[in-house]
Amino acid sequence: KNEVEQSPQNLTAQEGEFITINCSYSVGISALHWLQQHPGGGIVSLFMLSSGKKKHGRLIATINIQEKHSSLHITASHPRDSAVYICAVPPDGGSQGNLIFGKGTKLSVKP
Amino acid sequence: EAGVTQSPTHLIKTRGQQATLRCSPISGHTSVYWYQQALGLGLQFLLWYDEGEERNRGNFPPRFSGRQFPNYSSELNVNALELEDSALYLCASSVGAFSNQPQHFGDGTRLSIL
Repeated sequence: KNEVEQSPQNLTAQEGEFITINCSYSVGISALHWLQQHPGGGIVSLFMLSSGKKKHGRLIATINIQEKHSSLHITASHPRDSAVYICAVPPDGGSQGNLIFGKGTKLSVKP
Repeated sequence: EAGVTQSPTHLIKTRGQQATLRCSPISGHTSVYWYQQALGLGLQFLLWYDEGEERNRGNFPPRFSGRQFPNYSSELNVNALELEDSALYLCASSVGAFSNQPQHFGDGTRLSIL
């Protein structure tokens, strides 16, 4: 079983739709990262959160530590949101420097 | 503030050759991380450097190595290249020595092995 599972793997939406991407993890963590990877390969860090909810523009990330689950929401989706969204967790409380990544959710927003 | 920069953008090598990839972290960041993203696979952790020392490495053979210089920039060296080494190699940096700090990523070096 993968330590970080994302769903769905692929997601196609119409412009304006509300998007939800889910991430479940099996390791104990101190924080969870949401990343965005564009087709060219570059990665942008969207959120790092350890509890509750964070909001940045149209993006909202939530985490439930007890249930070991996080969600990334995109409100009023736009074609420029098309990208791969990846969640990642640092094992061992972050002391080992590495991140364990989910396989990503490929989002395509149609105009 | 300049972001994480990686060079070269693309690198083409043949089997058995050696490749050197470079990374300059954000100013003030002391930790540098290297990740591999092979086609169709997720990101895999390669190496972590902090304050000039290798702190941790992922499940990769010893022909993957690197170093961090006094100015905190870093090199990733891959010896005896194999076809399966074809991948996007991403470098990230963070201000602290723990991966519960935000990591800032470069645009990657795409390594192709012929």
